[in-house]
Amino acid sequence: DQQVKQNSPSLSVQEGRISILNCDYTNSMFDYFLWYKKYPAEGPTFLISISSIKDKNEDGRFTVFLNKSAKHLSLHIVPSQPGDSAVYFCAATMQTGANNLFFGTGTRLTVIP
Amino acid sequence: NAGVTQTPKFRVLKTGQSMTLLCAQDMNHEYMYWYRQDPGMGLRLIHYSVGEGTTAKGEVPDGYNVSRLKKQNFLLGLESAAPSQTSVYFCASSSGASSYEQYFGPGTRLTVT
Repeated sequence: DQQVKQNSPSLSVQEGRISILNCDYTNSMFDYFLWYKKYPAEGPTFLISISSIKDKNEDGRFTVFLNKSAKHLSLHIVPSQPGDSAVYFCAATMQTGANNLFFGTGTRLTVIP
Repeated sequence: NAGVTQTPKFRVLKTGQSMTLLCAQDMNHEYMYWYRQDPGMGLRLIHYSVGEGTTAKGEVPDGYNVSRLKKQNFLLGLESAAPSQTSVYFCASSSGASSYEQYFGPGTRLTVT
């Protein structure tokens, strides 16, 4: 059973506009969340993360928002650039043990120049 | 610094054949992981290791074995390949219990006919 869900397989956005990628989770034990970016024929690369004690974390053009009551997080990219075109994976973990990550199915973002 | 490397990049096997995928990291990381990625499924954890000489099962361990004889290497074995094991395999590593960010290799595309 998928514990982390990304319900939008794809998203297209004009360059310069905001991209919003969404992620939902079902396991209330998850307390740390990460976003990864993946280009074709490469491994995922870490983008940004957030702990459950926060509701927002910013890093340059990337901001992650966490709504614990709704078990929902989102990644905002502003302004979007053509180089942001990639597949974005949401992942969750529990801050105990081996830090195993549970991944969503990914959202393919296309930024149109 | 090569980071995480995987060997081979591509492989085609016949049903019943065996093979070993090699993962190596040069970051002196304690934890290492093997994932598989299938279309529409995201990344799923096969096995992981929290230190040299230790291994543990992940979400989808059946049909695979692993060994971590040296800290820098994590091997994934398929004893008798099946078409259901056709997938892209990613290895990852992280520094330890206090770090949730995992660094991924470029992947191995395996096809079992």
